[in-house]
Amino acid sequence: GDSVTQMEGPVTLSEEAFLTINCTYTATGYPSLFWYVQYPGEGLQLLLKATKADDKGSNKGFEATYRKETTSFHLEKGSVQVSDSAVYFCALTLTTDSWGKLQFGAGTQVVVTP
Amino acid sequence: NAGVTQTPKFQVLKTGQSMTLQCAQDMNHNSMYWYRQDPGMGLRLIYYSASEGTTDKGEVPNGYNVSRLNKREFSLRLESAAPSQTSVYFCASSDRGQGKAQAFFGQGTRLTVV
Repeated sequence: GDSVTQMEGPVTLSEEAFLTINCTYTATGYPSLFWYVQYPGEGLQLLLKATKADDKGSNKGFEATYRKETTSFHLEKGSVQVSDSAVYFCALTLTTDSWGKLQFGAGTQVVVTP
Repeated sequence: NAGVTQTPKFQVLKTGQSMTLQCAQDMNHNSMYWYRQDPGMGLRLIYYSASEGTTDKGEVPNGYNVSRLNKREFSLRLESAAPSQTSVYFCASSDRGQGKAQAFFGQGTRLTVV
C-alpha cells in the first residue's frame, strides 16, 4: 500500500542552523505531497505542498521539491529559529476530491535552541 | 472565523464507557475526517465523509462509528471504550478542486481510557 517514511527525531539544532528532514514515499499512482507542522498543543497546519513532479513548495523560509525519480519530498530551511520548534509531518494523497484523505509519516520533532 | 472546532478538548473514560466526540467546521467544506495520533505512528485515518450523507472507513475503523449530521458536523462515537483507544483525536475538513489542496485541522481531543 501507499506509505510515507520520514527521518526519526528528535532533531536538535542551534538557532540559525540549516535544517533538513528527509521524506520518501511509495504510492501506486501520482500523489500530491505535503508538509504539515504541529506546534505544541495545537492541531496540524499546512506548511507547504506540491501537487506534481518537479514542483517546489515554499512557505516561511521552508522549501521542498517533489522528486519523482527518487520518490522524495525533503524539507529544508536555511536558518531556523526557536519558533520553528515543532513536529513536522510529511504526507501524501492520491485523491483530489478529498484533500484531507492523507497518508502520514510518523512525524519528526524539531527542537531549536537559542 | 473559527475553522474546525472539536469538543471536548480532554476526556477520561473508564473501560466500557461510551462517548461521542463532536466536530464542526464553518468553511462550507464538503469533506470531513477523523484521525487518531499515536506516538511514533503519525496520524491514521479512522473514518471520513467525502460529502454530506456519505461515510467511509479509513485505515483504523474498528471500535468506532461516525455520523455526518449535516454539512457542518461530523461526530465520532466510541461505543465501548478500550485502553487501546487512548489517543489524541483530530477532526479535519477540506474542500474540492486543484486550487484547494489543503486540509484544515481542529485542535484535537486528548482521550484517556483507564
